[in-house]
Amino acid sequence: DVKVTQSSRYLVKRTGEKVFLECVQDMDHENMFWYRQDPGLGLRLIYFSYDVKMKEKGDIPEGYSVSREKKERFSLILESASTNQTSMYLCASSTEHRNYNEQFFGPGTRLTVL
Amino acid sequence: AQSVTQPDIHITVSEGASLELRCNYSYGATPYLFWYVQSPGQGLQLLLKYFSGDTLVQGIKGFEAEFKRSQSSFNLRKPSVHWSDAAEYFCAVVAFSGGYNKLIFGAGTRLAVHP
Repeated sequence: DVKVTQSSRYLVKRTGEKVFLECVQDMDHENMFWYRQDPGLGLRLIYFSYDVKMKEKGDIPEGYSVSREKKERFSLILESASTNQTSMYLCASSTEHRNYNEQFFGPGTRLTVL
Repeated sequence: AQSVTQPDIHITVSEGASLELRCNYSYGATPYLFWYVQSPGQGLQLLLKYFSGDTLVQGIKGFEAEFKRSQSSFNLRKPSVHWSDAAEYFCAVVAFSGGYNKLIFGAGTRLAVHP
């Protein structure tokens, strides 16, 4: 089975802190994604990556950056956390994108910024 | 721009009753459509998907969905709901943009099941 793991289930940070959310997948998938999930808004794509060291902005990239130094690991970075970044963050991975394949999701990290 | 609308934010059904969750999409060509389920404290799990062919697709856990191009809909159904089906359900469409594929999600429908 594909497994996508996220480093923390719950995280509490203070405004202005630098925050790292880590995601690891064990199925050698090329593609990885970061979403945030908010009530009434569904999932919105923050950033995605189709290869190591490659990244593309999603629909709401402002205030976030990402890093993909290894194929299995995709990190989301909040350079200076703000209260409006309090949310559930979901990581996903999938195989190559030209023939679209199912995305597999991690359990999520619920981030609270005080 | 592609979009997905799930008109019902919350639905409550009795155990054993039938279920239909609505999904409407906006997309010019033949869409790739998905239904995902999110149980409490869990990530999203794929229930079923439609790419082409038979417009009635079967999924896991006894779910099915029907693609209706004329109505731009992809409604999810189950003939008899179990208490374990209580969860949040998301409809999604693939958007092709700039050479990449992205998933566009609806806002979700939260299902409650009464015993």
